[in-house]
Amino acid sequence: DSGVTQTPKHLITATGQRVTLRCSPRSGDLSVYWYQQSLDQGLQFLIQYYNGEERAKGNILERFSAQQFPDLHSELNLSSLELGDSALYFCASSALGWGGQETQYFGPGTRLLVL
Amino acid sequence: LAKTTQPISMDSYEGQEVNITCSHNNIATNDYITWYQQFPSQGPRFIIQGYKTKVTNEVASLFIPADRKSSTLSLPRVSLSDTAVYYCLVPISGTYKYIFGTGTRLKVLA
Repeated sequence: DSGVTQTPKHLITATGQRVTLRCSPRSGDLSVYWYQQSLDQGLQFLIQYYNGEERAKGNILERFSAQQFPDLHSELNLSSLELGDSALYFCASSALGWGGQETQYFGPGTRLLVL
Repeated sequence: LAKTTQPISMDSYEGQEVNITCSHNNIATNDYITWYQQFPSQGPRFIIQGYKTKVTNEVASLFIPADRKSSTLSLPRVSLSDTAVYYCLVPISGTYKYIFGTGTRLKVLA
């Protein structure tokens, strides 16, 4: 158990809908990362937050947004869902969120299926 | 363009040593390379991390040559339970972004 929790574990929804994925980082970790894992794209970095502030954006679609709250939990919002958004979404956390010896610990993921 | 490549798959027998290489074309001097293990439908699990020469822990070793354009994860005496996909993760130099390797599917045979 990495100490990172994600809810829900599974999510089934329809095209055009909006969903929210939630992540609670390990106790004391200030940084949260979101990744998408699909069969054809592998593990893709989406976005990083550090202590409530957005730090880096990767391959995140404009239909997707995220935020990190004062209690450090994070939410990833996916809107106008398309079939291609079906994937595993992982959250990771680390203590600092900058170079050096910081390790990302991953949650169990949320499996999203868009029908 | 940052790129991180790994062999697609490898087979090994129980008890053998397995070496998986990750090629990364652009990482800074002090950037750490991290390796993860992933089982189906689970989150990546941390194995080992380092930024130069050799690092060893209770489950693996990590070798990083001087030019840092690659790294090799070494798993000593693999067992059936080591069957999984292994990924390297590196920061994209000069950014706070990260890139995963393409993943290596390791199958350990009895």
